[in-house]
Amino acid sequence: KQEVTQIPAALSVPEGENLVLNCSFTDSAIYNLQWFRQDPGKGLTSLLLIQSSQREQTSGRLNASLDKSSGRSTLYIAASQPGDSATYLCAVMSGYNKLIFGAGTRLAVHP
Amino acid sequence: GAGVSQSPSNKVTEKGKDVELRCDPISGHTALYWYRQSLGQGLEFLIYFQGNSAPDKSGLPSDRFSAERTGGSVSTLTIQRTQQEDSAVYLCASSLDGAGGREQYFGPGTRLTVT
Repeated sequence: KQEVTQIPAALSVPEGENLVLNCSFTDSAIYNLQWFRQDPGKGLTSLLLIQSSQREQTSGRLNASLDKSSGRSTLYIAASQPGDSATYLCAVMSGYNKLIFGAGTRLAVHP
Repeated sequence: GAGVSQSPSNKVTEKGKDVELRCDPISGHTALYWYRQSLGQGLEFLIYFQGNSAPDKSGLPSDRFSAERTGGSVSTLTIQRTQQEDSAVYLCASSLDGAGGREQYFGPGTRLTVT
């Protein structure tokens, strides 16, 4: 059974810091891995999707890497801003395109 | 439509009542998914539709939960005899088709509160 773990559960940093959020999964038979952002009381915003054949994806200040064989992904946020404060969710897609989510990392960036 | 829509956005119901939650997928998307996000369980898969059939309903937590999809478009998730533990945000997503690895697009969710 696929399990997804995210570390740390919560993170509080001053503005301007570079951050690394970690995600690990137990079964490497995945189609892709996706990082989402969720603001309090809101839905999911897709940030980056990495197909199983890819190693990384970049969008602006965000960079996500995927090491399928070791079951790990990292989300790197450069020069963090208060507007980056949110919960970040990692999800892997396997069998019937089912997304299995981690519990999330709650990020607070303070001025 | 422009995106996945869900209704109602909020629903408060009394324990024991039945509720229906609706999802309108992106036009032309044949695959549709329901997920649930609750405080104790995080975000979990409920059911997957390809067209009008549901090849994977492994995530439905009990037989009080059912879902249908008609005309290959709108889907309804029904919860019978609601319990307090059913309180959660119910999210719907759609993708172009069921090909492996298709990106899913999420709706804003329905927040269900059972009192």
